Amino acid sequence: GAGVSQSPSNKVTEKGKDVELRCDPISGHTALYWYRQSLGQGLEFLIYFQGNSAPDKSGLPSDRFSAERTGGSVSTLTIQRTQQEDSAVYLCASSLALKNLRSGNTIYFGEGSWLTVV
Amino acid sequence: AQTVTQSQPEMSVQEAETVTLSCTYDTSESDYYLFWYKQPPSRQMILVIRQEAYKQQNATENRFSVNFQKAAKSFSLKISDSQLGDAAMYFCAYRSGRGGSQGNLIFGKGTKLSVKP
Repeated sequence: GAGVSQSPSNKVTEKGKDVELRCDPISGHTALYWYRQSLGQGLEFLIYFQGNSAPDKSGLPSDRFSAERTGGSVSTLTIQRTQQEDSAVYLCASSLALKNLRSGNTIYFGEGSWLTVV
Repeated sequence: AQTVTQSQPEMSVQEAETVTLSCTYDTSESDYYLFWYKQPPSRQMILVIRQEAYKQQNATENRFSVNFQKAAKSFSLKISDSQLGDAAMYFCAYRSGRGGSQGNLIFGKGTKLSVKP
């Protein structure tokens, strides 16, 4: 597609339920990122996928969070047993791979999925 | 580890005037990229301007320009002829020139810009 597409745009869920957030990156982008933005805060890195390499999960806040990327394209972020502190905007982004020091490819963002846990 | 600092939580500018948003960063790397992103209420992060560290010339995009001071590790954004549509959160971000997850963006906490008519 023309841009990074995320769904759902808004999600309200009850505490303890599982949620899945979807991201469809820009066609041809091999790098995919998930970020979390809590109310009034900056962006917090969650996870990074690059091609077929093992993902960098260093930003995931707990083992309730997981993500996968099927076929090197669409990604799903899953939050199990949601808690109220999980309420935030979850932003997905994609870019071309950094092939060399001079490429500096820009990271493009989707519109985010606003998760509210009640 | 790299850090990005935006010392102005909020700024205000009169329509048609000029405003400068500050950003400093800390890194031991020599090759990296700096970005300013705009986030309007719609939530989407929109790239405003980017600067490659190896370039001495300051980047310019229409009414937006940067003052990149590599030695001082400073990267400020100047918005000229401010418009009502410029009102948004502005985030400064750093990206390593290395590949892999080190190419992840590191963000400052943002500056909320208000534009007064």
